[in-house]
Amino acid sequence: GAGVSQSPSNKVTEKGKDVELRCDPISGHTALYWYRQSLGQGLEFLIYFQGNSAPDKSGLPSDRFSAERTGGSVSTLTIQRTQQEDSAVYLCASSLRLAVAKNIQYFGAGTRLSVL
Amino acid sequence: ILNVEQSPQSLHVQEGDSTNFTCSFPSSNFYALHWYRWETAKSPEALFVMTLNGDEKKKGRISATLNTKEGYSYLYIKGSQPEDSATYLCASRGGGATNKLIFGTGTLLAVQP
Repeated sequence: GAGVSQSPSNKVTEKGKDVELRCDPISGHTALYWYRQSLGQGLEFLIYFQGNSAPDKSGLPSDRFSAERTGGSVSTLTIQRTQQEDSAVYLCASSLRLAVAKNIQYFGAGTRLSVL
Repeated sequence: ILNVEQSPQSLHVQEGDSTNFTCSFPSSNFYALHWYRWETAKSPEALFVMTLNGDEKKKGRISATLNTKEGYSYLYIKGSQPEDSATYLCASRGGGATNKLIFGTGTLLAVQP
C-alpha cells in the first residue's frame, strides 16, 4: 500500500486477555517505530526497529509488552494480560533512513485499544 | 530526557482568523524539530521538519519558525478555515542512535465557520 497500514483500527478486550496489534510499514522503509497516546498524554515512544532488530526498547512500559518484526517489514506489538491502563491509541510509524537529520516518520492511523 | 511543551492546549477561532501556537523544547542536544497535523481517526500528517536555527518553512497558509538557541518553534496559520481543525503536534528529536521523537501534548484547534 501507499502508506503505513495498521490493524485492527479498533480493539475492545477484557482485562487479562492478550492482544496483538499489527503494522505494515511503507515498502522499503527500514526503520519502524511504535508509539502510544494515552488519554490526556502526548505521544509516547515505545520501541524502535531497524530491520528486524530492536536496538531501542526503552519505552516499553512493562514486560507484558513485546514486539517483533519479520522480513524487515510487518511488525506486531503484543500486550499480554491487558490492564485498563493499557487503553490508548497505538501508532506505528516508518521511515527511510536513520542518519538523516530531516528524516520524516510516516504514521499509520493507529489502533484504538479499549480494555474493559 | 527531553521535555517538549506546547501551548495553548486548545484554541477556538473564527473562520478567517490567523493564529499561532508555541512549542518549547530543550535546546541542548537538539537535532531536529517536527510539526505534525493530526485529524481524528486519521494518520498524523507531517507538516515540517526543521534543523537549523532561524529556519522558516511554509506550506500554503501554514508556516513555522525555529529558534534552537532558546528552544522554541512557532506554527502560524493565516486565515484559518474549518478544515484546519485538528490537533497540531510538535516533536523534538535529540541526538542519538534511534531517531525517536519526543512529542508535546499538542494544541487542539477548532475553527468555527
